[in-house]
Amino acid sequence: NAGVTQTPKFRVLKTGQSMTLLCAQDMNHEYMYWYRQDPGMGLRLIHYSVGEGTTAKGEVPDGYNVSRLKKQNFLLGLESAAPSQTSVYFCASSYSPSGSYNEQFFGPGTRLTVL
Amino acid sequence: EDKVVQSPLSLVVHEGDTVTLNCSYEVTNFRSLLWYKQEKKAPTFLFMLTSSGIEKKSGRLSSILDKKELFSILNITATQTGDSAIYLCAVPNAGGTSYGKLTFGQGTILTVHP
Repeated sequence: NAGVTQTPKFRVLKTGQSMTLLCAQDMNHEYMYWYRQDPGMGLRLIHYSVGEGTTAKGEVPDGYNVSRLKKQNFLLGLESAAPSQTSVYFCASSYSPSGSYNEQFFGPGTRLTVL
Repeated sequence: EDKVVQSPLSLVVHEGDTVTLNCSYEVTNFRSLLWYKQEKKAPTFLFMLTSSGIEKKSGRLSSILDKKELFSILNITATQTGDSAIYLCAVPNAGGTSYGKLTFGQGTILTVHP
């Protein structure tokens, strides 16, 4: 049981390049989330998904796209990277909440630098 | 818009000290407040608080919620170097359906020196 995994762990991009971050979970969770973490700003939600085939915008969605083709995977794409997207990206997953909050489990993070 | 504010933003103490971390919130339709500890990598869950005045405790860590004054505190007694981390406070977002989205505070960076 690996929990939540993310690939890659590190990446350096040039401005304008594209890339995809992969998140995978083996806990059969319905909900998955992508966050970015910047110094002094905590974690901010980029996009989330409430089930296979569904996605929705979070707090800071601009410049990112996501897809949830399979329940266990949640992909985060940067079509044209910008230096402002230099950050640490965390993926998380949780059971389907039903009136009460369920704990989110986080992946180890991807450190992205855009030059 | 939901808002979570933590203080202090950073704290440096020596082993054995007791620390208190603060989290205040403004949310619509409050349900719970969560504390996470983040060391080098992923945040890990510490506590979930839903009721005022009931202390949650785990070893040297404890936390309590005040729903009237809209804040929570996280106490760490007899701190150790292994307590050095970022401590994050978060609240689930309101909404017609509970998607479990979290609004996080900025985090408190705790450094414990030997």
